[in-house]
Amino acid sequence: AQKVTQAQTEISVVEKEDVTLDCVYETRDTTYYLFWYKQPPSGELVFLIRRNSFDEQNEISGRYSWNFQKSTSSFNFTITASQVVDSAVYFCALIPISSGSARQLTFGSGTQLTVLP
Amino acid sequence: EAQVTQNPRYLITVTGKKLTVTCSQNMNHEYMSWYRQDPGLGLRQIYYSMNVEVTDKGDVPEGYKVSRKEKRNFPLILESPSPNQTSLYFCASSLTRDSNQPQHFGDGTRLSIL
Repeated sequence: AQKVTQAQTEISVVEKEDVTLDCVYETRDTTYYLFWYKQPPSGELVFLIRRNSFDEQNEISGRYSWNFQKSTSSFNFTITASQVVDSAVYFCALIPISSGSARQLTFGSGTQLTVLP
Repeated sequence: EAQVTQNPRYLITVTGKKLTVTCSQNMNHEYMSWYRQDPGLGLRQIYYSMNVEVTDKGDVPEGYKVSRKEKRNFPLILESPSPNQTSLYFCASSLTRDSNQPQHFGDGTRLSIL
């Protein structure tokens, strides 16, 4: 079984500050995918990124960046120069892809990010 | 437009009255799944389906049933709903069983069981 932990339940920042959302995972599988999703106040889930466990390169997309460190089982998400529209609940998730593993997507409990004007 | 459609979006009902939440996707995806979202618990998988006529239990299957008779539809059935099934439910689909595609989520169904 796998587990995803997002220790930060709620974070508040002031607009233009940088903020990092932590994600730590546990899995016995050697190959897996990691995801980040955003859930704005309207309630839908928006896919942000997928990372293969083989690929430890960090990724940057505009103001978003992701730091994947297999050695510490972490997949942290940083928003640079935050904006009010970034206010949402952010979920980290993992799905194993090893042969024979159950294809279950496991979510963390989410981090509520509030960006104040 | 590629989408996952859930119905109804909102439902208030009473204990014991059978209900079905429908989920349909128009992307010819093989993999579909159901989740429930509860405060402080994130999303937990209820059931998933690798393909037609293939379904498996997720982490919290008790009190739920599913079926996958056609590729596009994956209804969630609550035979005898109870108040602890009050939750926000999401249906999701992805292209293949290999999970290398991001899951597409429906807009959610908010169920209240009185």
